[in-house]
Amino acid sequence: NAGVTQTPKFQVLKTGQSMTLQCAQDMNHNSMYWYRQDPGMGLRLIYYSASEGTTDKGEVPNGYNVSRLNKREFSLRLESAAPSQTSVYFCASSEQAISLYEQYFGPGTRLTVT
Amino acid sequence: AQSVTQPDIHITVSEGASLELRCNYSYGATPYLFWYVQSPGQGLQLLLKYFSGDTLVQGIKGFEAEFKRSQSSFNLRKPSVHWSDAAEYFCAVGDSTGFQKLVFGTGTRLLVSP
Repeated sequence: NAGVTQTPKFQVLKTGQSMTLQCAQDMNHNSMYWYRQDPGMGLRLIYYSASEGTTDKGEVPNGYNVSRLNKREFSLRLESAAPSQTSVYFCASSEQAISLYEQYFGPGTRLTVT
Repeated sequence: AQSVTQPDIHITVSEGASLELRCNYSYGATPYLFWYVQSPGQGLQLLLKYFSGDTLVQGIKGFEAEFKRSQSSFNLRKPSVHWSDAAEYFCAVGDSTGFQKLVFGTGTRLLVSP
């Protein structure tokens, strides 16, 4: 039982390049989330997926797109990376029917955009 | 909207000393409150949560937190800190507007001195 896994762990992009961050969970959770973490700002929600087939914007969605590929997988895409997107990205999952609000986090992807 | 304030950016505690990390929330009804810990280079791990009932909740690793409605606080405590407790600690509140999400504070970094 791996929990929430994220790939890659580290990535360096040049401005304007695109990439997709992958996230998968094996806990059969309905809901999944993408956050970014910046110094002094805590975690800010980028997008979330309440259930398979649905996605919604969070607090800071600009410059990102997401795909809920199936119940297990939720990817985050940067179409044209900008230096302001240098951050640590966390994926999380939850099952509201079992424990309200409680989320389980992946290990993170550290992204640098030059 | 719900919000969480962690007034201390950094705290340094001597090993073996007691610890209290402060968290204040803004929420109209009875909140769902959480403390997460992030060890260096890792994802977030749930320490403890408060939903209702006993206002003193016990968590993992010897941590506890007390919910005080009159002060809108949910402070995290530990009677004797170990060097391995050095990490960043995040307080979060459940956001029930729309889909159920978490709103995080900006975090408190705990340093443990020998």
